[in-house]
Amino acid sequence: LAKTTQPISMDSYEGQEVNITCSHNNIATNDYITWYQQFPSQGPRFIIQGYKTKVTNEVASLFIPADRKSSTLSLPRVSLSDTAVYYCLVGDRNTGFQKLVFGTGTRLLVSP
Amino acid sequence: DAGVTQSPTHLIKTRGQQVTLRCSPKSGHDTVSWYQQALGQGPQFIFQYYEEEERQRGNFPDRFSGHQFPNYSSELNVNALLLGDSALYLCASRAMQLSNQPQHFGDGTRLSIL
Repeated sequence: LAKTTQPISMDSYEGQEVNITCSHNNIATNDYITWYQQFPSQGPRFIIQGYKTKVTNEVASLFIPADRKSSTLSLPRVSLSDTAVYYCLVGDRNTGFQKLVFGTGTRLLVSP
Repeated sequence: DAGVTQSPTHLIKTRGQQVTLRCSPKSGHDTVSWYQQALGQGPQFIFQYYEEEERQRGNFPDRFSGHQFPNYSSELNVNALLLGDSALYLCASRAMQLSNQPQHFGDGTRLSIL
């Protein structure tokens, strides 16, 4: 399974756009990129998933360059409630018996 | 539509004891995975159950065992508890036939070993 590298922590202010970049140099052809958000004492919550180019949903955008060796999660106009740990995962989502491999994540702190 | 539910939410045990944690998957899901999350770390995969059988296992000793019932719910059992077993134990579920859908997590059981 491809290993991911992401910053340990990031700071931002309310209303700003936050971009968290994840490096996955050994991503395989069948691998998808998935981001989860986790608040203290809660389970991870799925944010977004993509394979290439750009994916957007109601909460975030995911940018993936052509070589797929990195990806960027973009959170528009963050609020205090976006303070959480964000995990980037890479794996074959179509594998029947799928295990998720989490790193240590990026701890995002949003201040007033 | 209830999501993944886990019980209990908190548990305190002493070294050497045994513990059983329970998980009910999201409605429509038939595959359950268990993860251990130590403080400040990302979740680590323990094992996965489908059709009442363990299908995949992470790097955890045999003290960690599990079970899946016909209604798809699951239990995680840990024997001979060690101080290092203190962690948040997370259950995740998905539907095997919809493998392109993400796994859904419960909010976990916080296990403290004294």
